Amino acid sequence: AQSVTQLGSHVSVSEGALVLLRCNYSSSVPPYLFWYVQYPNQGLQLLLKYTSAATLVKGINGFEAEFKKSETSFHLTKPSAHMSDAAEYFCAVSGRTGNQFYFGTGTSLTVIP
Amino acid sequence: GAVVSQHPSWVICKSGTSVKIECRSLDFQATTMFWYRQFPKQSLMLMATSNEGSKATYEQGVEKDKFLINHASLTLSTLTVTSAHPEDSSFYICSAPPAGSLEKLFFGSGTQLSVL
Repeated sequence: AQSVTQLGSHVSVSEGALVLLRCNYSSSVPPYLFWYVQYPNQGLQLLLKYTSAATLVKGINGFEAEFKKSETSFHLTKPSAHMSDAAEYFCAVSGRTGNQFYFGTGTSLTVIP
Repeated sequence: GAVVSQHPSWVICKSGTSVKIECRSLDFQATTMFWYRQFPKQSLMLMATSNEGSKATYEQGVEKDKFLINHASLTLSTLTVTSAHPEDSSFYICSAPPAGSLEKLFFGSGTQLSVL
């Protein structure tokens, strides 16, 4: 079984500051890992995903995440926050087979001007 | 790219009525589709996995008779909220993996259900 834990339900950063959203996973097998963004009253948009290629994954809108097996982590970062980055961010995990796909509890990002 | 269409995007209904939400994969076949429920400011909770040609697999705590799922074709899954009550008001999202690959998972735009 797989699961993810997102530390910090709310994160506030100043515009231009580093964004760091934390995600730790639990999986008995090598997982697929994802980060999604959700704007109010909208569906989900995939930011990036790890599927066992490079451990440092670059996504859209300047976001990237690094898969660290030793730390069972997949933290999302962005060097410089924009106001438009304010949204809800979800980490998700799936197995490589089967039909299990689970989300973390989400982190709400606020960008302060 | 692959698209999952979800309809309607929002619906308001009276308590006691049933509401059907459709999820279509527009340019790929999906033998599996996932249905999620999201309460305000909370995460997406997997409700059930819809399987084409067979019964859906429900997560623990989800009422099968309350949330009817039908996956009648390779491109369409429906979720029917039967005898809706105000506590069923929520944001429902479907997703589908092309060729069953969880590496690629496409989401519908969601349905906001409000039960009066």
